[in-house]
Amino acid sequence: DIQLTQTPSFLSASVGDRVTITCRASQGINNYLAWYQQKPGKAPNLLIYAASTLQSGVPSRFSGSGSGREFTLTISSLQPEDFATYYCQQLENYPLTFGGGTKVEIK
Amino acid sequence: EVQLVESGGGLVQPGGSLRLSCVISGFTFSDHYMDWVRQAPGKGLEWAARTRNRANSFSTEYVASVKGRFIISRDDSKNLLYLQMNSLRTEDTAVYYCVRALYDGIRYYHDYWGQGTLVTVSS
Repeated sequence: DIQLTQTPSFLSASVGDRVTITCRASQGINNYLAWYQQKPGKAPNLLIYAASTLQSGVPSRFSGSGSGREFTLTISSLQPEDFATYYCQQLENYPLTFGGGTKVEIK
Repeated sequence: EVQLVESGGGLVQPGGSLRLSCVISGFTFSDHYMDWVRQAPGKGLEWAARTRNRANSFSTEYVASVKGRFIISRDDSKNLLYLQMNSLRTEDTAVYYCVRALYDGIRYYHDYWGQGTLVTVSS
């Protein structure tokens, strides 16, 4: 199985900060990676797919980059509604796997 | 409006069975691959199962931990997705999400999720 390691697992930041989350795969996954945002008690929400394609309706402050084994999710200017947990997911092989999550909290 | 509404969760003893259902509306269900993704309380996400569409013979995929115990199926005439869960274990306790897979031309990404249904396996 492909393992995804997200760093950091916890992040404390202020409104307006630029935030970067990294996802490293245990083997190359081309660009078959997605990012999701999950708020407490809610289902995840797709932000980015194919590593860098912004899902319809997602604010442009979210961006994704990377290919192969290393990927990043960047929030250019953190907004109050962005405090949540973020997960990466690989779609290269079955079983589809998720990273362990990054919780973004208010500083 | 796309809607996925799960039902069928509840408390079940270890070794028992449960069938989850998901009723879909707002898109052409029969065109899409559909998945179940689960999340144990306070934990991360785990993909559990996939059913492909009729064009791909309704073939299925499972994570190893549920293979041989869970069966994903669909009824395109009723816009229903199912997950039959047998030989349940305490580690199957989780919120189970019904999820649509979006095709970008190469891969399938999870673009619509239901609200989830909680399955608790405990004696």
